[in-house]
Amino acid sequence: DAGVTQTPRHEVAEKGQTIILKCEPVSGHNDLFWYRQTKIQGLELLSYFRSKSLMEDGGAFKDRFKAEMLNSSFSTLKIQPTEPKDSAVYLCASSLQGEDTQYFGPGTRLLVL
Amino acid sequence: QQKVQQSPESLSVPEGGMASFNCTSSDRNFQYFWWYRQHSGEGPKALMSIFSDGDKKEGRFTAHLNKASLHVSLHIRDSQPSDSALYFCAASSNAYKVIFGKGTHLHVLP
Repeated sequence: DAGVTQTPRHEVAEKGQTIILKCEPVSGHNDLFWYRQTKIQGLELLSYFRSKSLMEDGGAFKDRFKAEMLNSSFSTLKIQPTEPKDSAVYLCASSLQGEDTQYFGPGTRLLVL
Repeated sequence: QQKVQQSPESLSVPEGGMASFNCTSSDRNFQYFWWYRQHSGEGPKALMSIFSDGDKKEGRFTAHLNKASLHVSLHIRDSQPSDSALYFCAASSNAYKVIFGKGTHLHVLP
């Protein structure tokens, strides 16, 4: 079985640009999560979908971060406009349902100059 | 305050030794606990889940949960250099929103 796929693995953006990160969850999983990982804050939840419906949009991340899930096998995270403080690793994870183990992708390392 | 606190921040053990991690939560509603491991350049990967009080053993890994004291621990016996990674404790109360600790860096010295 294929795990969670994320593209690109690395992204370099200029301040103010729009970037779109992509994620393909494990086939058959109902829940999809987007996280941001930094050394200082650790793992922070950005968005959570259950059966393609947005259940949580990450509070403080709402203004420039938008996650979408147009079908059960594909999700995007748009950051618009990017700022240097957005430099981090962005992780996508999926699970069968909430209380199950989450399966993470390899992440996208974003650098905003 | 972080709802899931891990200690120590960093840990070094000799190859073949025992590595022990601690995790304390501040939310009595947490019912589900996991340990995840993340190697450099990769995403976290679940090691074990533990939902009931007591010990759970899987190979070289043993988790212990005490819900009354909101404490969960992980022990790795016969540590190997390949165990060197970042270890996360995770907890959830409502079955979807998982709160992760900041992790413990393990270095296994050959």
